[in-house]
Amino acid sequence: AQKVTQAQTEISVVEKEDVTLDCVYETRDTTYYLFWYKQPPSGELVFLIRRNSFDEQNEISGRYSWNFQKSTSSFNFTITASQVVDSAVYFCALSSYGNNRLAFGKGNQVVVIP
Amino acid sequence: GAGVSQSPSNKVTEKGKDVELRCDPISGHTALYWYRQSLGQGLEFLIYFQGNSAPDKSGLPSDRFSAERTGGSVSTLTIQRTQQEDSAVYLCASSTSGTVAKNIQYFGAGTRLSVL
Repeated sequence: AQKVTQAQTEISVVEKEDVTLDCVYETRDTTYYLFWYKQPPSGELVFLIRRNSFDEQNEISGRYSWNFQKSTSSFNFTITASQVVDSAVYFCALSSYGNNRLAFGKGNQVVVIP
Repeated sequence: GAGVSQSPSNKVTEKGKDVELRCDPISGHTALYWYRQSLGQGLEFLIYFQGNSAPDKSGLPSDRFSAERTGGSVSTLTIQRTQQEDSAVYLCASSTSGTVAKNIQYFGAGTRLSVL
């Protein structure tokens, strides 16, 4: 079975602070894919990043960065110097090779206070 | 180009009525997915279509739920005899292929269903 856990439900930060979202996953598969999606108030899930299980290289994209650690089954996401437009729900998701469905965590509601 | 389009954006219905939700995927995308987002259950997979293959219906919660995809493009999710627990946001996604290694699922804005 696949499971994704995002322990923090709501996180409030003051603008320009950094915020890190934790994601822990469970899977028995050796080949799998991890995703982060952003859901702004409009409701549409916006794709942010995908990592595969054999590539633990961390990535930075603008103010976003991701830390993938296979040893701890974690795929954490950091927003640096947060802005009000970052206010949204962020979902971590998992999919295995050969299984097309995404298993989502419960999401993190991020509120950036101006 | 246009993204995934879903209609209606909001639907209010009475308990026991049937509803149809529509999804128009990104042009050229062969794979189409339906998910349900509710407060209690989070985001759940419902059904997956890939080209002309038989759909993966393993996520449908009951036989009141069905979906079809005509001509490999537009999809309709039908809920018969709606119940209050069916109230949720129904999200559709599409991708260029059914292989997760090669595709990213792009989502529509969803249909918010309220069953009174």
